[in-house]
Amino acid sequence: DAKTTQPPSMDCAEGRAANLPCNHSTISGNEYVYWYRQIHSQGPQYIIHGLKNNETNEMASLIITEDRKSSTLILPHATLRDTAVYYCIVRVNTGANSKLTFGKGITLSVRP
Amino acid sequence: DTGVSQNPRHKITKRGQNVTFRCDPISEHNRLYWYRQTLGQGPEFLTYFQNEAQLEKSRLLSDRFSAERPKGSFSTLEIQRTEQGDSAMYLCASSLSLLWNSPLHFGNGTRLTVT
Repeated sequence: DAKTTQPPSMDCAEGRAANLPCNHSTISGNEYVYWYRQIHSQGPQYIIHGLKNNETNEMASLIITEDRKSSTLILPHATLRDTAVYYCIVRVNTGANSKLTFGKGITLSVRP
Repeated sequence: DTGVSQNPRHKITKRGQNVTFRCDPISEHNRLYWYRQTLGQGPEFLTYFQNEAQLEKSRLLSDRFSAERPKGSFSTLEIQRTEQGDSAMYLCASSLSLLWNSPLHFGNGTRLTVT
């Protein structure tokens, strides 16, 4: 699976949009971009995933650049409960290789 | 709650003892994964099952570790002769194999402390 690069940390003000960047310059055509987050002492929580089109769900939006070499996870109105480690993962989807490979992620701190 | 369930949530054991953890996946999810996470690191893949077949094992899974999923439903992870370096959070996840891009859903883990 292609590797991803994320800044180690960032912060944003409560109520503002949080834009979390991720670089995946070696991504292949059959690899999806997944985002998970992990709040202290809990398991990772699935947020969203996409291949090349932008995606939106009730939690967040995923913007993938046209060349697919980078993406941004957007939390439109961050709250204190969004403080967590966010993982950007590139995953090849074949029957024989379905695991996720986590990096260190980005720690998002939402300040009051 | 129909999410992934892991028991126990916490386990403290003495070095050299054996421990066993249990994972109950989301019903109808036929894939089940085990991960290990140490402080400050992302989860590391250990092994995964499709139904009852163990399809992949990481090199992290030493011969003291064994995982089973006898009937393709719940799974157990056993660590024999525990060492202090085994102290970590052990996470279980499940997914459907019918969809190639089906996401993994994680439980809240079992935290193991080896004294």
